[in-house]
Amino acid sequence: DVKVTQSSRYLVKRTGEKVFLECVQDMDHENMFWYRQDPGLGLRLIYFSYDVKMKEKGDIPEGYSVSREKKERFSLILESASTNQTSMYLCASSFGTRIETQYFGPGTRLLVL
Amino acid sequence: KQEVTQIPAALSVPEGENLVLNCSFTDSAIYNLQWFRQDPGKGLTSLLLIQSSQREQTSGRLNASLDKSSGRSTLYIAASQPGDSATYLCAATTGANNLFFGTGTRLTVIP
Repeated sequence: DVKVTQSSRYLVKRTGEKVFLECVQDMDHENMFWYRQDPGLGLRLIYFSYDVKMKEKGDIPEGYSVSREKKERFSLILESASTNQTSMYLCASSFGTRIETQYFGPGTRLLVL
Repeated sequence: KQEVTQIPAALSVPEGENLVLNCSFTDSAIYNLQWFRQDPGKGLTSLLLIQSSQREQTSGRLNASLDKSSGRSTLYIAASQPGDSATYLCAATTGANNLFFGTGTRLTVIP
């Protein structure tokens, strides 16, 4: 079974803090994704990566950056957390073709105070 | 830009009833259409994936159909059970393996 894990289920941070969200997958997937999910807005793509050290902006990259130093790990970084970044963050991974499904992690619920 | 809509936003049915969830998308140039299930506070679980060349996919009591020309997909759940209660999301894959999600239908199956 594909397993996608996220480092934390719940996080509480203060405005201005630097926040790291970690995602690890164990199926040697080329593609990894970060989404945020908000009520009424659904899931929106923040960043994705096709390979190690590669990154592409999604629909809402502002205020975020990512890092992919190893194939199995994709990190989302909030350089200076703001209250409007309070959300559920979901990581996903998939094989390298467009026809493959994405496998999701359990999510990290982030609260920025 | 692809826009995906799911109607209704919420649905309650008695146990045993058959039901249909609807998904519509604006750009018919999709690679595939996926249906996911999400339980409260959890991640997404893939249910069915329909390739753009296919018309439907079946898994157990679930059947998903795809009509690219009309920009519509449906998820049919037969003989609903309380354990089917969850939010169901559809997502269209376009471009560079990007998923565009609907906002979901929250299903409650009443025992």
